[in-house]
Amino acid sequence: DADVTQTPRNRITKTGKRIMLECSQTKGHDRMYWYRQDPGLGLRLIYYSFDVKDINKGEISDGYSVSRQAQAKFSLSLESAIPNQTALYFCATSPAGGTYNEQFFGPGTRLTVL
Amino acid sequence: GDSVTQMEGPVTLSEEAFLTINCTYTATGYPSLFWYVQYPGEGLQLLLKATKADDKGSNKGFEATYRKETTSFHLEKGSVQVSDSAVYFCAHRNNNDMRFGAGTRLTVKP
Repeated sequence: DADVTQTPRNRITKTGKRIMLECSQTKGHDRMYWYRQDPGLGLRLIYYSFDVKDINKGEISDGYSVSRQAQAKFSLSLESAIPNQTALYFCATSPAGGTYNEQFFGPGTRLTVL
Repeated sequence: GDSVTQMEGPVTLSEEAFLTINCTYTATGYPSLFWYVQYPGEGLQLLLKATKADDKGSNKGFEATYRKETTSFHLEKGSVQVSDSAVYFCAHRNNNDMRFGAGTRLTVKP
């Protein structure tokens, strides 16, 4: 079974629609992250959370919001989707503490906004 | 601010060729350095890492050495295989901030 799962895996929506992407993990990690991947730009951090009561903006948080419902769940919302939010979205987790810890990634959600 | 710059792709090699993908970084302090690999349709997986100057990370025949004097972490493999075809990302982590390079697509032909 996958340790970090994302739903849906693919989504096509229209401009102005509200979209929620969900992430669940069974790794028991405290820290969770949302990234978007665009061709030629690598991964850019949208939001991150170090525990259930902690939410932090990343590099490109405008137009997005998040909810950390439980240690294992971290959702990303687009309140009013726009075409330039078309991208591949990844959730990641890591254990708490230290700068040496790797991040573990989910399989990604491909979002297309028409 | 902190950033990671890696060699632009795509890179196309024949099987058994030598691979180098260059990566340089800018950061305050002493970041940890990582190479991640993304196979088609999958998320990123850690390939190797190094946590201090002169450390060498290695895995699956890939190697990279943390060079503080040149702020580099170049990825190398002596003999690539078709199964190494993927996108490779260099990254660094400085305190709680993780930055990724743009990715380099590698295609290995039989």
